[in-house]
Amino acid sequence: SQKIEQNSEALNIQEGKTATLTCNYTNYSPAYLQWYRQDPGRGPVFLLLIRENEKEKRKERLKVTFDTTLKQSLFHITASQPADSATYLCADSGGYQKVTFGIGTKLQVIP
Amino acid sequence: DTAVSQTPKYLVTQMGNDKSIKCEQNLGHDTMYWYKQDSKKFLKIMFSYNNKELIINETVPNRFSPKSPDKAHLNLHINSLELGDSAVYFCASSQDLETGPLTNEKLFFGSGTQLSVL
Repeated sequence: SQKIEQNSEALNIQEGKTATLTCNYTNYSPAYLQWYRQDPGRGPVFLLLIRENEKEKRKERLKVTFDTTLKQSLFHITASQPADSATYLCADSGGYQKVTFGIGTKLQVIP
Repeated sequence: DTAVSQTPKYLVTQMGNDKSIKCEQNLGHDTMYWYKQDSKKFLKIMFSYNNKELIINETVPNRFSPKSPDKAHLNLHINSLELGDSAVYFCASSQDLETGPLTNEKLFFGSGTQLSVL
C-alpha cells in the first residue's frame, strides 16, 4: 500500500532563509500531492496542491515541486518568518476519497 | 462563520462510557470525513461519507459508529470507550470534483476534539 514519508525530525532554520521540506511516496505515483499546515491545537489547513503532470507550483512565498522519477515532492518556503513555524503535512490523492497523510515535519524558524 | 465546526473541543471521560462528537460544515460540500490523530501526531482516516452514504470504513472497531443525518452533518458515536481511544479526532469535508464524486482534493478540517479516556 502507498506510504507517504516525511522526515519526522524537526527542521530549524534561521529567519530569512529558505526552508525545504521533503515528502516521498513509496508506491504508485499519485494523481496529485497536497501540502497542509497544522498549528498546535488546530486542524490542518490546505496550502498547495500539485498534480502529477506539473513540475512546480507557486503561491506567494511557497513553492512545491513534484518529481515522479524520484517519487518525491519538495515544499519550499522562501524568506521564512517565525510565523511560518508549524508542522507541515504532505498528503497524496489516494483516490476514492482516501487521502493519506504523512506524519508531518515540524518547522521552527528562529528569529 | 466557521466552515467546519465540531463539538466538543475537549472530552474527558471514564473507560467504558459512551460518547458522541458532532460535526457540521456550512460549505455545501458533498463529502465528510473523520480522521484520528494519535499521540505521535499521525493523522489517519477513519470514515468518509458522500451525500450521507458511507464510502470508507478504514478498519475501525465497530464501537465507532458514524451517523450522517444529512450531508452537512457527520457525527461520531463511540461505545465502550477504551484507553487506546484517547486521541484528537478531526472532522473534515471536501467538494466533489467534476471528474467524479469519488475524487476529491483540498480537505477543510475542523479544529479537533481532544478525547481523553481515563
